[in-house]
Amino acid sequence: GNSVTQMEGPVTLSEEAFLTINCTYTATGYPSLFWYVQYPGEGLQLLLKATKADDKGSNKGFEATYRKETTSFHLEKGSVQVSDSAVYFCALTGTASKLTFGTGTRLQVTL
Amino acid sequence: NAGVTQTPKFRVLKTGQSMTLLCAQDMNHEYMYWYRQDPGMGLRLIHYSVGEGTTAKGEVPDGYNVSRLKKQNFLLGLESAAPSQTSVYFCASTSFRGLFLEQYFGPGTRLTVT
Repeated sequence: GNSVTQMEGPVTLSEEAFLTINCTYTATGYPSLFWYVQYPGEGLQLLLKATKADDKGSNKGFEATYRKETTSFHLEKGSVQVSDSAVYFCALTGTASKLTFGTGTRLQVTL
Repeated sequence: NAGVTQTPKFRVLKTGQSMTLLCAQDMNHEYMYWYRQDPGMGLRLIHYSVGEGTTAKGEVPDGYNVSRLKKQNFLLGLESAAPSQTSVYFCASTSFRGLFLEQYFGPGTRLTVT
C-alpha cells in the first residue's frame, strides 16, 4: 500500500534560518503529492502541491519538487519566520482521492 | 462560503456512551472523509464517502459508523465509546472535478473518552 515517511521532529530553528523537512513516499502509479500545514488549534491547510514528476510546488516562500527517481518531496524555505511555527504534513493521494499522511514534523522558530 | 464545518468542537464522553459528530460542507463536493489525529501518528482515515448514500472503510474503521444521507453532510458515529477513541477528529471534502484533488479540512473535534 501507499506510505509516507517524513523526518521526526521537532525541528527548532532561529528566524531567517534555512529549512528542510524531508519526505519520501511509497506508492503505486503516479500519485499527487502535497504538503499541508497545521497551526496550533486549527485544521489542516494545503500549503503546496505537485501532480507529476519534476513539478515544483511553491507557496509563501516554501518549495518542494516532485522527484520520482528518489521518491521524495522535500519541503524547503530559505528564511523561516516565527509565524511559520506549525506542524507540517507530507501526503499523497490514492484511489478515491484518499490521502495518506506522514506523521507530521513540528517546526518551532525562535527569535 | 463557510467551507467545512464540524459540530461539536469539544466533547467529553464516558466509556460506553454514544455520540455523533456532524460534518457539513457547502462546496458541493462529492467526496467526504473522516480522519483521526493522534500524537506521533499523523492523520489516519476512518471512513470515506464518494457520493450521497455511499460509504467505505478507511484504514481504522473499527468502532465507528458513518452515514451520508445528504450530499453536504457526513456523520460519524461512535456507538460505544472507548478510551482508545480519545483523539482529534477531522472531516474533509474534495471534488473529483478539481484539478488537483485538494482536500478541504474542518477545524476538528476534540473528543475525550474517560
